[in-house]
Amino acid sequence: QVQLVQSGAEVKKPGASVKVSCKTSGYIFTSYEINWVRQAPGQGLEWMGWMDPDSDSTGYAQNFQGRVTMTKDTSIGTAFMELTSLKFEDTAVYYCARWYSSGWGFDSWGQGTVVSVSS
Amino acid sequence: SYELTQPLSVSVAPGQTARIACGGDNIGRKNVHWYQQRPGQAPVLVIYRDVIRPSGIPDRFSASNSGNTATLTISGAQAGDEADYYCQVWDSRIAVFGGGTKLTVL
Repeated sequence: QVQLVQSGAEVKKPGASVKVSCKTSGYIFTSYEINWVRQAPGQGLEWMGWMDPDSDSTGYAQNFQGRVTMTKDTSIGTAFMELTSLKFEDTAVYYCARWYSSGWGFDSWGQGTVVSVSS
Repeated sequence: SYELTQPLSVSVAPGQTARIACGGDNIGRKNVHWYQQRPGQAPVLVIYRDVIRPSGIPDRFSASNSGNTATLTISGAQAGDEADYYCQVWDSRIAVFGGGTKLTVL
């Protein structure tokens, strides 16, 4: 079955960087884009961007331009999201989610990775 | 930028029908997707492309989309349906989520 398994919780200081991984299985990795969505404590879902494992193309939400990089390692079916210059308000649960094409929703999600930014 | 508006909360008695609205400019021209998020869990897709239920989603979940409002309908609401619900669309390759609606079954 389709699975997206994310790396474990992280605690970082302001100004540091964090890199979260999303290991996929049960489908052809290059056939679906990987999106990243975060959720601050008690808040709604915030979309961060997408990465196409087939073309290496990426697209980032304006709020994260210049601070986020989405990459992949096709050999191990894993996507990565790196966020730099962390601020206290980046404390959130970060999710990866699979997306097929226009007209489709995010049909499979990772379990989430808690990133805490604290001094 | 495109915006989606949802009510903060909706309440429904067990066995009754809950309706959650999602407003957006000409949203009827877009494909709307709906997610259920139970406390402490990742979101789950319950409706995509306006009206389609993924496999495993009960047929108590249905939806519609027209004009400036999309609506998620949950018939015969159960205690297990208590969750946050989010609508989502794509706007020029940017994913937009509504603010979320907390459904209480009481």
